[in-house]
Amino acid sequence: NAGVTQTPKFRVLKTGQSMTLLCAQDMNHEYMYWYRQDPGMGLRLIHYSVGEGTTAKGEVPDGYNVSRLKKQNFLLGLESAAPSQTSVYFCASSFSSKHPDIQYFGAGTRLSVL
Amino acid sequence: DAKTTQPNSMESNEEEPVHLPCNHSTISGTDYIHWYRQLPSQGPEYVIHGLTSNVNNRMASLAIAEDRKSSTLILHRSTLRDAAVYYCILHGSGNTGKLIFGQGTTLQVKP
Repeated sequence: NAGVTQTPKFRVLKTGQSMTLLCAQDMNHEYMYWYRQDPGMGLRLIHYSVGEGTTAKGEVPDGYNVSRLKKQNFLLGLESAAPSQTSVYFCASSFSSKHPDIQYFGAGTRLSVL
Repeated sequence: DAKTTQPNSMESNEEEPVHLPCNHSTISGTDYIHWYRQLPSQGPEYVIHGLTSNVNNRMASLAIAEDRKSSTLILHRSTLRDAAVYYCILHGSGNTGKLIFGQGTTLQVKP
């Protein structure tokens, strides 16, 4: 059972380039989340999805777009990367929002924007 | 969202118990107390959660104060692999599953 898988693991972009981060989960979870973590900080929620075809903004959504076309996948897009988006990105999933709603995290994608 | 306060860092000796405190004085009646930890270069992982009563699982114990304004995560016998950042998070019923992470407590385990 792979759990939550993120691709790629590492990426270096130039300012203005675009890219898509892929998150896949094999636990049939309804809810999926994208977080970012800056050095020495806790995780901050970018966008989340409560089901296939639905997305919503989190705490820091600017500069990112997301899509949830399939239940098992949650894509995070950067249309025009900026140095401020250099961070570690984590995807998570959970069965639902009902307690205890344990979230399962991927290993992260380390993104550098030059 | 109710906030939590944790010490920035703590140290323990290997094979000794560790008590990680968390203050949450503005907790509401429906907020669950969740603990996650993040090992170096990994994503966070769930540790334990509770509402009012003390809880035990294979990883740790959670002691919740009677007024619920504080809680303590207890690692009964710390190992070097327990060195991580530990996050205390309040999870309310209206959060749509969202977790709000603070800076957590960095636990250093000495051999």
